[in-house]
Amino acid sequence: DSGVTQTPKHLITATGQRVTLRCSPRSGDLSVYWYQQSLDQGLQFLIQYYNGEERAKGNILERFSAQQFPDLHSELNLSSLELGDSALYFCASSVHRIGTGELFFGEGSRLTVL
Amino acid sequence: EDQVTQSPEALRLQEGESSSLNCSYTVSGLRGLFWYRQDPGKGPEFLFTLYSAGEEKEKERLKATLTKKESFLHITAPKPEDSATYLCAVPFLTNGGSYIPTFGRGTSLIVHP
Repeated sequence: DSGVTQTPKHLITATGQRVTLRCSPRSGDLSVYWYQQSLDQGLQFLIQYYNGEERAKGNILERFSAQQFPDLHSELNLSSLELGDSALYFCASSVHRIGTGELFFGEGSRLTVL
Repeated sequence: EDQVTQSPEALRLQEGESSSLNCSYTVSGLRGLFWYRQDPGKGPEFLFTLYSAGEEKEKERLKATLTKKESFLHITAPKPEDSATYLCAVPFLTNGGSYIPTFGRGTSLIVHP
């Protein structure tokens, strides 16, 4: 058990809909990272937050947004969903601010868009 | 251009047949190389961090080594429970001054009994 909690574990929805994925980091970790994993792309970095502030952005679509709340949990919002958004979405946390330390991953949220 | 490349993509071994997985990288100023294990449908699990050429880390049947251009994950006398995808990651510097752990595509290892 990594100590990182993600909900929901599975989500099935239709194109055009909006979903919210939630992540609670390990106790004491201030950094939260979101990654998308699909079969053809591997693990792709989306966005990082540190102590409530956005630190870095990857190839995150404009239809996607995220935030980190004062209690350090984070939410990833995916809107106007397309078939190609079907993937595993992972949250990872770290005690490090600048991304040079190990990450601890949650079990992921599997999103299926029909 | 910063890159992380893993090979082979897939590897099938018989139980007890030792082998090595490769992770080659191109980065200005290495700030660590990380190995993770990922089981199907699960999140990656941290294994090792290596920081400088010549460094080695061991855990049970796994040993990770690092040179200036690549890292190897040696698996000695593997067992079926070692079957997983092994990922390596290197932090790449962004324009904003943050380092982002960037992952290779992984090596899918299957160990047959």
